[in-house]
Amino acid sequence: ILNVEQSPQSLHVQEGDSTNFTCSFPSSNFYALHWYRWETAKSPEALFVMTLNGDEKKKGRISATLNTKEGYSYLYIKGSQPEDSATYLCASYSGAGSYQLTFGKGTKLSVIP
Amino acid sequence: GAGVSQTPSNKVTEKGKYVELRCDPISGHTALYWYRQSLGQGPEFLIYFQGTGAADDSGLPNDRFFAVRPEGSVSTLKIQRTERGDSAVYLCASSPMPGTGNEQFFGPGTRLTVL
Repeated sequence: ILNVEQSPQSLHVQEGDSTNFTCSFPSSNFYALHWYRWETAKSPEALFVMTLNGDEKKKGRISATLNTKEGYSYLYIKGSQPEDSATYLCASYSGAGSYQLTFGKGTKLSVIP
Repeated sequence: GAGVSQTPSNKVTEKGKYVELRCDPISGHTALYWYRQSLGQGPEFLIYFQGTGAADDSGLPNDRFFAVRPEGSVSTLKIQRTERGDSAVYLCASSPMPGTGNEQFFGPGTRLTVL
């Protein structure tokens, strides 16, 4: 069973602060890592799909890095805004032929105005 | 275009009852997935369809759970003899085709509460 861990479980930051959180996953049989943002009462929204070791992706103020050899990914938010408040989920695939995503429990971010 | 939709958005039922949850994927998406998120957990895989067939149902917790996708588009997740432990948010996702590098597009979920 794939074990995807996220930390911290939750955090509060002031508007304008930059922040980051971690996703760790087994480095063996790695295929892809997905990051999602899930706002209350909305659909989870895909942020990034990352496949290659050393990948860095950016979307506005949000960026992510991937280290498949050591099994971790970081998500960074620069200059946090209240609208960034959400739960951030990472998910990895179990292996060849399996298209089920295994999710971490998420990091709940609250940005205080 | 329209995203993935799920109905109902909320469902309250009594222990022992039967429920059906519906998912309308994005038009043309051949792959459809069901997940459920219990309180304090991340979403957990239930079943994956490629077209009309269930390609992987290894996540269904027991035989009270069943899902169909008869025409390769809309899918229904069916739960018999509901138990309090079935209370969760049930998420549906679709993708143009299966693939580890392909984004899965999620619906807003159905929140099921079993009293």
